[in-house]
Amino acid sequence: GNSVTQMEGPVTLSEEAFLTINCTYTATGYPSLFWYVQYPGEGLQLLLKATKADDKGSNKGFEATYRKETTSFHLEKGSVQVSDSAVYFCALSDLTSYGKLTFGQGTILTVHP
Amino acid sequence: NAGVTQTPKFQVLKTGQSMTLQCAQDMNHNSMYWYRQDPGMGLRLIYYSASEGTTDKGEVPNGYNVSRLNKREFSLRLESAAPSQTSVYFCASSSEGQGNTEAFFGQGTRLTVV
Repeated sequence: GNSVTQMEGPVTLSEEAFLTINCTYTATGYPSLFWYVQYPGEGLQLLLKATKADDKGSNKGFEATYRKETTSFHLEKGSVQVSDSAVYFCALSDLTSYGKLTFGQGTILTVHP
Repeated sequence: NAGVTQTPKFQVLKTGQSMTLQCAQDMNHNSMYWYRQDPGMGLRLIYYSASEGTTDKGEVPNGYNVSRLNKREFSLRLESAAPSQTSVYFCASSSEGQGNTEAFFGQGTRLTVV
């Protein structure tokens, strides 16, 4: 079956630091890959996605590249802000799954001024 | 634009009590989902509905039932609550149920079973 593994957290950074959150996956076929973000007290919202190998998803300064050879989709941001403090989830879905998402464990990010 | 609306936001139940979590979306989406979120485990799928009139089990369906009342509404019922069902529950919807479409989430229901 499908599975997603994220780096263990929590992650604590100072403002303007570089962020990487690792994500690797196991799936049959060719899944689509997503990063969702959950701000305190809210539901999840899509941050970025990539639907095929070598695609790069980007949004709000965050980027992730779909690497089929390493089955990875690592999230990066060059300079984090306090407002980026949230929980980040890597997820995948495939064309046979009716949009069902398989999630990683989630990574708590805290950014200090 | 409300998106996905869940009620209630918070609930405390005693073991053995029943309750229904309500979910409605106003985006004309075909597919709807119920997930539970537990610390260190991400979100896990309880049930989903690929289209109006159909429902199927997800990864953790035991102890739950669902009803797709119409295209807008998808409810989750706990018939006899157990402490293991203490969790945060999220309803979500997506447009075509294909693997590359975005899912939209409600704000969640925090349920405590004592």
